[in-house]
Amino acid sequence: QKEVEQNSGPLSVPEGAIASLNCTYSDRGSQSFFWYRQYSGKSPELIMFIYSNGDKEDGRFTAQLNKASQYVSLLIRDSQPSDSATYLCAVNKNTGANSKLTFGKGITLSVRP
Amino acid sequence: GAVVSQHPSWVICKSGTSVKIECRSLDFQATTMFWYRQFPKQSLMLMATSNEGSKATYEQGVEKDKFLINHASLTLSTLTVTSAHPEDSSFYICSADSTSGGDTQYFGPGTRLTVL
Repeated sequence: QKEVEQNSGPLSVPEGAIASLNCTYSDRGSQSFFWYRQYSGKSPELIMFIYSNGDKEDGRFTAQLNKASQYVSLLIRDSQPSDSATYLCAVNKNTGANSKLTFGKGITLSVRP
Repeated sequence: GAVVSQHPSWVICKSGTSVKIECRSLDFQATTMFWYRQFPKQSLMLMATSNEGSKATYEQGVEKDKFLINHASLTLSTLTVTSAHPEDSSFYICSADSTSGGDTQYFGPGTRLTVL
C-alpha cells in the first residue's frame, strides 16, 4: 500500500460546481495534512493544512480530515477555470526535527468554462 | 510572508559540469530546508533534508557525493549537482520550514536544469 494515495484522475467539473479531491494515507500516526496546488511548470503552493479531525474552511476551500478512516479531502466550491491544476496531498508523519512530507502523486483538476 | 526564492530559475549546462542552485527564505528563518526533484508528469520526490550547520540527510537512492548540500545559515541552502549528466535533467525545488513552529513547508519557485 502506498503511503499517500490519491485518485488517479483526471477530474473534470463544470465551472461553478464543487470539486471533491480525496486522499488516503497508510500511517495511522500521521500528525498533519496539507493540500498544495501545482500549476504546470510551476512549484507547489500551499492551499491549506489541517491537524484535527473535522472540517476547516478557507474561502472556497474546505479541508476535511477523518483520522479514524485515514482520509483527508479537499472541497473546492464554485470552481473556476483558474482552479485547473494538479492538487497534491501531503502527509507529515512526524513533527519537529524529523518532520518531512510524503506526497501523493497528485490529481489533475480541469474546470470547464 | 513565508517567501522562498531560488536561483537560478533555469540553467542549461554541458555534461560533466557542476551546477549550484541556491535556496533562500526571504522573510523568515528556516529550521530545515528540503530539496525535491520532479520529473515530468511525476510527483515530487524528496532528495534530502538539511538543517543549518549540520550534514544533510539523504533519502535512499540519492547519491550524497553527487548532490552536495550546504546549509550555511538559517536563510540559505545550496544544492550542487556535480558532474551533471543528461539523466539529471529535472525540476529541482526547495522548500523551507519555519523556526517559529509548525511544520508547514513553503516552496521555492523551482529550478529547471537541462544537461546537454
